[in-house]
Amino acid sequence: DIVMTQSPDSLAVSLGERATISCKSSQNILYSSNNKDCLAWYQQKPGQPPKLLIYWASTRESGVPDRFSGSGSGTDFTLTISSLQAEDVAVYYCQQYYGTPPYTFGQGTKLEI
Amino acid sequence: EVQLVESGGGLVQPGGSLRLSCAASGFTFSSYWMTWIRQAPGKGLEWVANIKREGTEKYYVDSVKGRFTISRDNARESLYLQMNSLRAEDTAVYYCARDQGGSYYSYWGQGTLVTVSS
Repeated sequence: DIVMTQSPDSLAVSLGERATISCKSSQNILYSSNNKDCLAWYQQKPGQPPKLLIYWASTRESGVPDRFSGSGSGTDFTLTISSLQAEDVAVYYCQQYYGTPPYTFGQGTKLEI
Repeated sequence: EVQLVESGGGLVQPGGSLRLSCAASGFTFSSYWMTWIRQAPGKGLEWVANIKREGTEKYYVDSVKGRFTISRDNARESLYLQMNSLRAEDTAVYYCARDQGGSYYSYWGQGTLVTVSS
């Protein structure tokens, strides 16, 4: 199975500052048919299901503020929040969906102010 | 509006069984792969199982193979997870989610809590 490793486990960022979360996969997750990486990012707040932010590594889900962006390719990926807002406090997860299941998640990164 | 509503969770003893259901509405259920994902209390997300549109392909995480069975009824627009030989480590909130083409998930239910304890 593909192992997804996020860093850091927790992160404190000041309001208005940039937050960066890393996610590394244990193998390449590039889908050759569309030349896109099979990587999604989610935000989860307490008591709620996860919310999809980014898919195909860099495509923002409809309705997600443009301060959220995804980048990277191959095995190294990054979620960036360009200017942290109070409502961004949450746990963030990456997930790979390459090839045959299981489709694994990273362990999560807790983002605080 | 897409809605996914899980039910069937509860307290069960180790070794027991439980069947979870997920009622779908607001989309053509038979057109989408469906997935179960779980989250142990205070822990991260774990992908559990998914099932193809017609139910002809099913995949499981190793930790539940041979104990859990995913199924669907497209006429009833419902997804199921039969859980047997339950263990304490199966304690979690179980979410159903709809695949989006690639297996990432825009739509999730609110989850149903399964507690395995004596």
